[in-house]
Amino acid sequence: EVQLVESGGGVVQPGGSLRLSCAASEFNIDDYTMHWVRQAPGKGLEWVSVISVDGGDTHYADSLKGRFTISRDNSKNSLSLQMNSLRSEDTAFYYCVKQGELRTSWYFDLWGRGTLVSVSS
Amino acid sequence: DIQMTQSPSSLSASVGDRVTITCRASQSIISYLNWYQQKPGKAPKLLIYAAFSLQSGVPSRFSGSGSGTDFTLTISSLQPEDFATYYCQQSYSSPFTFGPGTKVDIK
Repeated sequence: EVQLVESGGGVVQPGGSLRLSCAASEFNIDDYTMHWVRQAPGKGLEWVSVISVDGGDTHYADSLKGRFTISRDNSKNSLSLQMNSLRSEDTAFYYCVKQGELRTSWYFDLWGRGTLVSVSS
Repeated sequence: DIQMTQSPSSLSASVGDRVTITCRASQSIISYLNWYQQKPGKAPKLLIYAAFSLQSGVPSRFSGSGSGTDFTLTISSLQPEDFATYYCQQSYSSPFTFGPGTKVDIK
């Protein structure tokens, strides 16, 4: 089955760090731009970060202010998100998302189930 | 940054009703607008991309329209499985913002 599976979520104290991973199955991520999107419990969706096919181009939500780093290992068919200096407002489900494209349009066409990050003392 | 708004924030409707959700961008995004459906406890699902293109496997009762700053998602005849929250998202420029969502529940 074509899918994305996130791991690495958990409970962390404010100021702590966590590394999320995303494993792809039944397709090769090296053909695709990949994203992270998050959702605080009971809230809306917030785009977090994007990484290009070769990893050379990355972008982040303004709210992250350099605390998060997205990376990929195409040889392992995986995506990561290193999160540092975590704050209570980072508490959310984090989704690994594949970008689909058609001509000049792009969209999120495959989502993982998400992993919950809870920042609490 | 491009801000996305949606209206209404919630609505109550009956099976068979025609439902329309509006999304507005703070500046022109041409047709770089996508729609997603999310059910409780599940990941979002792509419905419409590029403002009006139906994602493979999505029922034809869903349709999208609009360009520039104003967009619409229409469900022509609401079905029981359509009760969910709907989000628009712009793919025009980073950060790739979502609307706040429209929750559709049963009247």
